[in-house]
Amino acid sequence: NAGVTQTPKFRVLKTGQSMTLLCAQDMNHEYMYWYRQDPGMGLRLIHYSVGEGTTAKGEVPDGYNVSRLKKQNFLLGLESAAPSQTSVYFCASSYELARDSTYNEQFFGPGTRLTVL
Amino acid sequence: AQSVTQLGSHVSVSEGALVLLRCNYSSSVPPYLFWYVQYPNQGLQLLLKYTSAATLVKGINGFEAEFKKSETSFHLTKPSAHMSDAAEYFCAVKPNTGNQFYFGTGTSLTVIP
Repeated sequence: NAGVTQTPKFRVLKTGQSMTLLCAQDMNHEYMYWYRQDPGMGLRLIHYSVGEGTTAKGEVPDGYNVSRLKKQNFLLGLESAAPSQTSVYFCASSYELARDSTYNEQFFGPGTRLTVL
Repeated sequence: AQSVTQLGSHVSVSEGALVLLRCNYSSSVPPYLFWYVQYPNQGLQLLLKYTSAATLVKGINGFEAEFKKSETSFHLTKPSAHMSDAAEYFCAVKPNTGNQFYFGTGTSLTVIP
């Protein structure tokens, strides 16, 4: 199994350009998440999905959109990139977060390093 | 809102010395607790997790953590540091309700030869 994969690994954008980050998982996980990681701020949740066709906002959703058309894929879109969106983006997935579940953990992709000039 | 505090953004220890990385959470009800490790230019890997089965949790690479409800803490320890332990460590919390995980700001561990 490949686990969680992210495409692309690196990208440089100019202010105002758009792009889509792709996250794919082959573990049949229900839940998927997009985070951004910035120095000194840890990981902050952008959007997440609890199943195919569903999405929800996290802590820092402004400037981003997401879609979950297929269970295995979770797309993160930047419609008009800004320098403040320069960051490392991580996708994660997990089984349904049932109480007392032994499967209650997230699996992370390798990250996408995005620079907006 | 849930918060996770990791005291010390940078910790340095000598090879062979005790590693202690601190994590405190804010919740009246014990949540699920996790420690992740991130090596340079990689994603996060799970070290260990607390899910109410036992207060002392053993993880990979010789790490362990103890859940202390009275102190709302989940500190990570390793008796003897190895050079390969140099990495960024994140504490994370999953409340008993809701679908979100909350991460601390991370602690960068340096191991001095």
